Amino acid sequence: NAGVTQTPKFQVLKTGQSMTLQCAQDMNHNSMYWYRQDPGMGLRLIYYSASEGTTDKGEVPNGYNVSRLNKREFSLRLESAAPSQTSVYFCASTLGPQKAYEQYFGPGTRLTVT
Amino acid sequence: GENVEQHPSTLSVQEGDSAVIKCTYSDSASNYFPWYKQELGKRPQLIIDIRSNVGEKKDQRIAVTLNKTAKHFSLHITETQPEDSAVYFCAARSARQLTFGSGTQLTVLP
Repeated sequence: NAGVTQTPKFQVLKTGQSMTLQCAQDMNHNSMYWYRQDPGMGLRLIYYSASEGTTDKGEVPNGYNVSRLNKREFSLRLESAAPSQTSVYFCASTLGPQKAYEQYFGPGTRLTVT
Repeated sequence: GENVEQHPSTLSVQEGDSAVIKCTYSDSASNYFPWYKQELGKRPQLIIDIRSNVGEKKDQRIAVTLNKTAKHFSLHITETQPEDSAVYFCAARSARQLTFGSGTQLTVLP
């Protein structure tokens, strides 16, 4: 069991470039999440997918889009990167809703936008 | 939406002493309260959690208490060891989302 995996581990973009962050889980979880982590601010929810075929905005969705490709995969896209999107991005998954709430996190992607 | 406040932001204790981190939440409908430990450069990892129908939960040196009336919950670490040094995050679940506190940097001094 690899758990939650993310690619890439590191990325440097120029302002205005686009990219997609990939996330996959092999635990047969129903719900998946994308967070960003900035120094001193904890983790903030960008988007989540409660189940395959659904996506919803979190606290900080502006500038991002997501796709729940299938039950295993949930991608995050930056269409036109801005320096304010420099952050560490974590994907997470959970068995829930109404089943189990524990979230398992991927190793993270460190993104720098210059 | 939910708002979670966490204190203190930094905490230093001597090895063997206890450490307490406190969080408050705003949404009375929140029903699940996990605590995560994050070492430098690593992913957050769940160390203990509690549901809203329980007042206290203990796992070896770690315990969590929940006061639903006051809307606050706390993490207690006893007999601290150098490997407990990390950033600790509390969180509260409402409306299918987890809202995290801003974190506490715990340093255990040898």
